[in-house]
Amino acid sequence: EAGVTQSPTHLIKTRGQQATLRCSPISGHTSVYWYQQALGLGLQFLLWYDEGEERNRGNFPPRFSGRQFPNYSSELNVNALELEDSALYLCASSLGLVLRDTQYFGPGTRLTVL
Amino acid sequence: AQTVTQSQPEMSVQEAETVTLSCTYDTSENNYYLFWYKQPPSRQMILVIRQEAYKQQNATENRFSVNFQKAAKSFSLKISDSQLGDTAMYFCASQTGANSKLTFGKGITLSVRP
Repeated sequence: EAGVTQSPTHLIKTRGQQATLRCSPISGHTSVYWYQQALGLGLQFLLWYDEGEERNRGNFPPRFSGRQFPNYSSELNVNALELEDSALYLCASSLGLVLRDTQYFGPGTRLTVL
Repeated sequence: AQTVTQSQPEMSVQEAETVTLSCTYDTSENNYYLFWYKQPPSRQMILVIRQEAYKQQNATENRFSVNFQKAAKSFSLKISDSQLGDTAMYFCASQTGANSKLTFGKGITLSVRP
């Protein structure tokens, strides 16, 4: 069974540009989560989508947004990139809204903002 | 609000020996889950073990086991017969309530020496 996949592996942008990161969940999973792992800040929750709806949002500015498609894949968009957006962005998926569902992670996208 | 604390930034252990990684957490919820995730240099976050707070029995997965002390809000991970492949960063995480997000500790870097 294929795991969570993310693309691209690496992304280099300049300040002010927009970045789009993509995630495909494990087959059968309807929930997708996005986390940011920045140096010195640890892992922080960004967004949660389930069945196409945004279910919860972390403490990030509105220029961080995303969506979930009918096939449950997801996109994270970061507008007006700032230097501090440089981080590893991890996507995770789980079966759905039930609390007991374990989140399984993808390999991440390394975003570098110059 | 949930908090997860991992106070040891790094540890080292000899191959084949046993090591314990500490974690404390704080939550006002009664129903929650605790996790240990492993992140090797390849950066893929891998689930190590999961504990449901309502279960008194400590979870075990092969060489990995936890010591879950609910009253003390402590959740330590014991790795027996350490292997070189256990070298990684280990994150303790909690999950509560309908928002379903994971709250992570800062992580601990474990090095297994040959």
